[in-house]
Amino acid sequence: DIQMTQSPSSLSASIGDRVTITCRASQSISTYLNWFQQKPGKAPKLLIYGASRLQSGVPSRFSGSGSGTDFTLTISSLLPEDFATYYCQQSYASPPGLTFGGGTKVEIK
Amino acid sequence: QVQLVQSGAEVKKPGSSVKVSCKASGGTFSNYAISWVRQAPGQGLEWMGGIIPMYGTINYAQKFQGGVTITTDESTSTAYMELSSLRSEDTAVYYCARAPGGTYGYYYYGMDVWGQGTTVTVSS
Repeated sequence: DIQMTQSPSSLSASIGDRVTITCRASQSISTYLNWFQQKPGKAPKLLIYGASRLQSGVPSRFSGSGSGTDFTLTISSLLPEDFATYYCQQSYASPPGLTFGGGTKVEIK
Repeated sequence: QVQLVQSGAEVKKPGSSVKVSCKASGGTFSNYAISWVRQAPGQGLEWMGGIIPMYGTINYAQKFQGGVTITTDESTSTAYMELSSLRSEDTAVYYCARAPGGTYGYYYYGMDVWGQGTTVTVSS
């Protein structure tokens, strides 16, 4: 199985901060990497697919980059509604065996 | 706008089975994969398996091989996930999610529509 490791597991940030979350795959996954946002009691929401492609309707302050084994999710200027848990997820394995990272909780400083 | 509407909360005894449904409201499953993802209390997301109704292809995460059965009824645009031999560790919220197909396959484009989640509690 492909393992996904996110860091940090949590962070504290202020409104307006630039936030970067990293995700590392245990083997190369090209750009088969997606990012999700989840708020308490809610289903996850797709933010980024294909490592860097912004999902329709997602604000442009969210961006993704990377390929191979190392990826980042960046929030350029944190807004109150961005406090949530973020997950990366790979879809490279064939036959499909999707795996998620452990999550990064973004909290208010 | 397609929505995925899941069945209601379940309370089950250890050793029993549970079957959760996921109905596409306002659309169908054509050219989509339907995945099942679970989340134990306070924990992260865990992919259980997925089905591509157009091709009848079903894939399960290794951990769930033999314990989970995923099916669809295309006549009603409903997907099902049955989990057997329940244990307390299976207490979780279970989500269905849709992934569109495209040039790079069925999961590259991400799971873009999710059900509201179904809480399954396993307790004696």
